[in-house]
Amino acid sequence: EVQLLESGGALVQPGGSLRLSCAASGFTFKNYAMSWVRQAPGKGLEWVSGISGSGGNTYYADSVKGRFTFSRDNSKDMLYLQMNSLGAEDTAIYYCAKAPNWNWGPGAWFDPWGQGTLVTVSS
Amino acid sequence: DIQMTQSPSSLSASVGDRVTIACRASRNINSYLNWYQQKPGKAPKLLIYAASSLQSGVPSRFSGSGSGTDFTLTISDLQPEDVATYYCQQSYSSPWTFGQGTRVEIK
Repeated sequence: EVQLLESGGALVQPGGSLRLSCAASGFTFKNYAMSWVRQAPGKGLEWVSGISGSGGNTYYADSVKGRFTFSRDNSKDMLYLQMNSLGAEDTAIYYCAKAPNWNWGPGAWFDPWGQGTLVTVSS
Repeated sequence: DIQMTQSPSSLSASVGDRVTIACRASRNINSYLNWYQQKPGKAPKLLIYAASSLQSGVPSRFSGSGSGTDFTLTISDLQPEDVATYYCQQSYSSPWTFGQGTRVEIK
């Protein structure tokens, strides 16, 4: 069974940094692209970032480009989202999600999703 | 970016009703459209991919249709466990964008 478990969410001050992690199991991790999707409290879903199976290709929403860095360690089946210069607009539950193949492109989808980790940016 | 617009924003229906949720893309996305169900306090779950393909394990009362810019999610026989918010998502081009969601309640 595919499982994704996020961690690292916390309360952080505006302008601060945080690193989220996602532990994957139940599939051949290196063969699949992954993404982060977030959901602000009471709001809808927003795709944040994607990474190819090798980690060689990364993709970012304009709202986080230059502030967030998505990486993976295929030897540990782990994902990491380094978040810098955080603002109130980054307050959200962050989900990691798996792609159906090794890279993101037309026709992909998010399945499954982890349970999410909450990031709160506030002074 | 491709904008996704869902209608209605919320609906209330009776058990056994047929429910239809619409999703419109701001430009042609062929059949690159996915649907997700999110129950309160839970992570989203994939229901339909490629506009009309039912994800494994999803009850057959869920179906999807459409292509181009207009898509539909149908629940043919609404059950109490279907209370949730439903989101469409385009996978035609990055950034992958979602509709604003449709909340389904039981009358």
